[in-house]
Amino acid sequence: RKEVEQDPGPFNVPEGATVAFNCTYSNSASQSFFWYRQDCRKEPKLLMSVYSSGNEDGRFTAQLNRASQYISLLIRDSKLSDSATYLCVVNTRITSGTYKYIFGTGTRLKVLA
Amino acid sequence: GAGVSQSPSNKVTEKGKDVELRCDPISGHTALYWYRQSLGQGLEFLIYFQGNSAPDKSGLPSDRFSAERTGGSVSTLTIQRTQQEDSAVYLCASSLSRSYEQYFGPGTRLTVT
Repeated sequence: RKEVEQDPGPFNVPEGATVAFNCTYSNSASQSFFWYRQDCRKEPKLLMSVYSSGNEDGRFTAQLNRASQYISLLIRDSKLSDSATYLCVVNTRITSGTYKYIFGTGTRLKVLA
Repeated sequence: GAGVSQSPSNKVTEKGKDVELRCDPISGHTALYWYRQSLGQGLEFLIYFQGNSAPDKSGLPSDRFSAERTGGSVSTLTIQRTQQEDSAVYLCASSLSRSYEQYFGPGTRLTVT
């Protein structure tokens, strides 16, 4: 089983739709969680951190479910410019001094006019 | 402020030659990471530097790959005797510390002919 798993998609949604992605992780010791966005042939850019109580940034809402070991990203009122690949990132403490970031392979979103 | 910078942005080299890729992290960031990404694939972790600690080299694919970080700032990734399978985008990221979000540079696109 992969340490971080995402549905590769693509998710094709019309403008204005609400879309949600999930990401599951296998290590219960994982401590911090992030969503990144990657446009074609560009570097990943931080979209938002994911906090235990859930957090919102404009049209984007991120949630963490530790019991079921997944995080989610909800995008409301999708825009054409939201079309990108969304990467789930999990940071796990391996030892007292060592952390490991694991990137999911990403979920492709295409917002259609 | 200035983000992570990488140079060169593109590098074309002949099989068998050595290449050096450079990364300038965000000022004050103690953690620095190298990844590579082949076309249409996810990020592959290569190496991680944290302050003055010994680097985590567990992701380096072969002994042809090495990296150093001088003065806790600039890092150089060296690939010796390049092979065609080394062709990829090499991404550098830095973070304030080991459990914080990472910020990526624009990458170096390496093509081995």
